[in-house]
Amino acid sequence: DAGVTQSPTHLIKTRGQQVTLRCSPISGHKSVSWYQQVLGQGPQFIFQYYEKEERGRGNFPDRFSARQFPNYSSELNVNALLLGDSALYLCASSLEETQYFGPGTRLLVL
Amino acid sequence: QKEVEQDPGPLSVPEGAIVSLNCTYSNSAFQYFMWYRQYSRKGPELLMYTYSSGNKEDGRFTAQVDKSSKYISLFIRDSQPSDSATYLCAMDTGRRALTFGSGTRLQVQP
Repeated sequence: DAGVTQSPTHLIKTRGQQVTLRCSPISGHKSVSWYQQVLGQGPQFIFQYYEKEERGRGNFPDRFSARQFPNYSSELNVNALLLGDSALYLCASSLEETQYFGPGTRLLVL
Repeated sequence: QKEVEQDPGPLSVPEGAIVSLNCTYSNSAFQYFMWYRQYSRKGPELLMYTYSSGNKEDGRFTAQVDKSSKYISLFIRDSQPSDSATYLCAMDTGRRALTFGSGTRLQVQP
């Protein structure tokens, strides 16, 4: 079975731009969560979606938004990029309590 | 004070050694406890998942949870060079918003 897939793998943007990251969950998983991992730190929770509804939100500014589609895939959008948004963005899918992570999208903001 | 504390290491051990990795936490609402392994520039890979206090064994890995002391551990027996990675503890109150430690970098020397 295919695991969680994310696209693109790498991305370079400049300050002020907008970015959209994509995630496809494991087949049969209805919940998708997004995390930001800054170099040298553990991942930080951004959003959780279940059945297309936002079920949880971490301590991130309104520049971060997400949505989940009827096929359970998800997009994370970040507006007005800052240098500090440079990080590995991870998507995780879950059926129950355990979350399985994708390979991540590495975003560099210049 | 962080909700989850984890020694960043690095921890260097010879091949075949028993490795002990630990996390402490402050939030009594955490119910689910996980250990992830993350290789450089990859997404976290789920190693162990536990719900209750006590031990859980899977091959060379043993996870231990002591809720009364708010302390969790991961033991790796017969460590191999391929175990060299960053190990992340993660906890959840049931809301599927994982709180991670900062990760311990492990190096197993051949």
